[in-house]
Amino acid sequence: DAGVIQSPRHEVTEMGQEVTLRCKPISGHDYLFWYRQTMMRGLELLIYFNNNVPIDDSGMPEDRFSAKMPNASFSTLKIQPSEPRDSAVYFCASRGDVGNQPQHFGDGTRLSIL
Amino acid sequence: AQSVAQPEDQVNVAEGNPLTVKCTYSVSGNPYLFWYVQYPNRGLQFLLKYITGDNLVKGSYGFEAEFNKSQTSFHLKKPSALVSDSALYFCAVRRGDTDKLIFGTGTRLQVFP
Repeated sequence: DAGVIQSPRHEVTEMGQEVTLRCKPISGHDYLFWYRQTMMRGLELLIYFNNNVPIDDSGMPEDRFSAKMPNASFSTLKIQPSEPRDSAVYFCASRGDVGNQPQHFGDGTRLSIL
Repeated sequence: AQSVAQPEDQVNVAEGNPLTVKCTYSVSGNPYLFWYVQYPNRGLQFLLKYITGDNLVKGSYGFEAEFNKSQTSFHLKKPSALVSDSALYFCAVRRGDTDKLIFGTGTRLQVFP
């Protein structure tokens, strides 16, 4: 079974550049979650979608961050303009519609902003 | 408010010995509880969950966890540790009427040969 697929796995870019992270959830999963992991703050939920609709974006740190889910098989997280403090590992996770199911995580995108 | 505490940043155990990774939680209503494991440069992998029923839950790779409602704990256990169990372990809780998982800060398990 294909799991959650994230691309790119690594991204290094200069401050001020636009960064786009991509996620393909598990087929049939109705929920999609974006997380950020850092040593200082641990694992933080940024935003999540249900049936392609953003439900809660209260974890998005600033207006520089935006996320979209144009269809059930694709989501993007965009940072524009990027800053060094955005450096982190970004994870996407998906979950089926039944509430007691676990979330399944991708292997993340390691983002470094110079 | 929901919260999860993992009181130990690191747990060290010798191979073959039993291991316990502690987790306590705070949530109103009935909790859904999860354990995940993270290996270097990988995403979180689901190990086991407690939703309802038997307080002892068995999961992947020989791990199990015991739900204790009175102590609001959900400790992860394994009877005999392997060096390959060395990883970062996360406990998470979700209230039944929400979609968000609240994660603990993680416990690094180090199993020595």
